[in-house]
Amino acid sequence: GEDVEQSLFLSVREGDSSVINCTYTDSSSTYLYWYKQEPGAGLQLLTYIFSNMDMKQDQRLTVLLNKKDKHLSLRIADTQTGDSAIYFCAEKEDAGNMLTFGGGTRLMVKP
Amino acid sequence: IAGITQAPTSQILAAGRRMTLRCTQDMRHNAMYWYRQDLGLGLRLIHYSNTAGTTGKGEVPDGYSVSRANTDDFPLTLASAVPSQTSVYFCASSGGGIRGYTFGSGTRLTVV
Repeated sequence: GEDVEQSLFLSVREGDSSVINCTYTDSSSTYLYWYKQEPGAGLQLLTYIFSNMDMKQDQRLTVLLNKKDKHLSLRIADTQTGDSAIYFCAEKEDAGNMLTFGGGTRLMVKP
Repeated sequence: IAGITQAPTSQILAAGRRMTLRCTQDMRHNAMYWYRQDLGLGLRLIHYSNTAGTTGKGEVPDGYSVSRANTDDFPLTLASAVPSQTSVYFCASSGGGIRGYTFGSGTRLTVV
């Protein structure tokens, strides 16, 4: 079955860039997503990228997709303390609505 | 505000008791999902429903049941709670297409 892997933890200083990485196994993925979960809250969609794209930029967020290596990354520029959260990547297979989630990366931003 | 409502927000439950977690959405999404979130284990799918009247088992269905009598509601029932069911439970829905899932705010359940 599909598998989505993320590192558990990332710590950065305020103002630095953060890069959160994700690898997936399903070559038929159509869309890949990044969700943000703040403490005590549900997951909120941050951004998504279609599988035929290499890059998508949205303000401070840059998503890079290497489809050959099945590697997805989320870069947060000028990281702020409000960016501290758990970030989940997810992939959607070609058929149906089901998403497969990674285990989440906890981002800690130090002042 | 369109979205998903989960209830209760939190609950402490005695082992062996029956409990139903409620989930209601007002977006007319066809698909709905129940996940549990445990430290170090990420999100694990319990049950799902692709459309009203149908349900399916996810990765960790044992000890849980669901029903989907209509489009809006997708309750999750623990027939006889056990301490290993202590977790945070999230309901999600999807209308298909590119938007992915919409999540509720979660129910924190402690079984003692």
